[in-house]
Amino acid sequence: AQKITQTQPGMFVQEKEAVTLDCTYDTSDQSYGLFWYKQPSSGEMIFLIYQGSYDEQNATEGRYSLNFQKARKSANLVISASQLGDSAMYFCAMRSGGTSYGKLTFGQGTILTVHP
Amino acid sequence: GAGVSQSPSNKVTEKGKDVELRCDPISGHTALYWYRQSLGQGLEFLIYFQGNSAPDKSGLPSDRFSAERTGGSVSTLTIQRTQQEDSAVYLCASSSRGGQAHTEAFFGQGTRLTVV
Repeated sequence: AQKITQTQPGMFVQEKEAVTLDCTYDTSDQSYGLFWYKQPSSGEMIFLIYQGSYDEQNATEGRYSLNFQKARKSANLVISASQLGDSAMYFCAMRSGGTSYGKLTFGQGTILTVHP
Repeated sequence: GAGVSQSPSNKVTEKGKDVELRCDPISGHTALYWYRQSLGQGLEFLIYFQGNSAPDKSGLPSDRFSAERTGGSVSTLTIQRTQQEDSAVYLCASSSRGGQAHTEAFFGQGTRLTVV
């Protein structure tokens, strides 16, 4: 079975600072993908960044980067130069191979608050 | 359409009534997912459709819940004899290739169901 764990229910960061949101995962599959989504108070789910299990380099998308440590099974999201609009719920998710290929499993989320 | 469309956006129903929630995926997307999100919580997987394959129904919480996907496109989630604990936001998502680890899912705006 696959499992995603986000241990930080809430995080606070000062505007323009960087922040790291933690995510650990558990799967016995060798092939899998890791995703981060943002959910603002409006409720929509916004895809941010993807990391494949075979990718040798950490994924980056603008101010978002993924600190992928395969041996530790962690895929932390780093947001640089935080903005007030970054305040939202953030979800880590995984899709792995094998019989459950296709199903996205989500963590419980982390609420990020950016202070001015 | 341009994105995943869900209807209705809000539904208030009396306990014991049946409800139908509709999802229109992005045109051409073969994979479709239903999730449930209770207030301030993570996403709970309900069901996953991929092309003509048998759906993964492993997340449906009880036999009161069922879903169909007609013609490989529109999907309907039906909840029979609704209970107050069914109150949540029901999110639908689609992706272009459900069997690939790296394909992100695109979400609709959700249907907020309130059972009174």
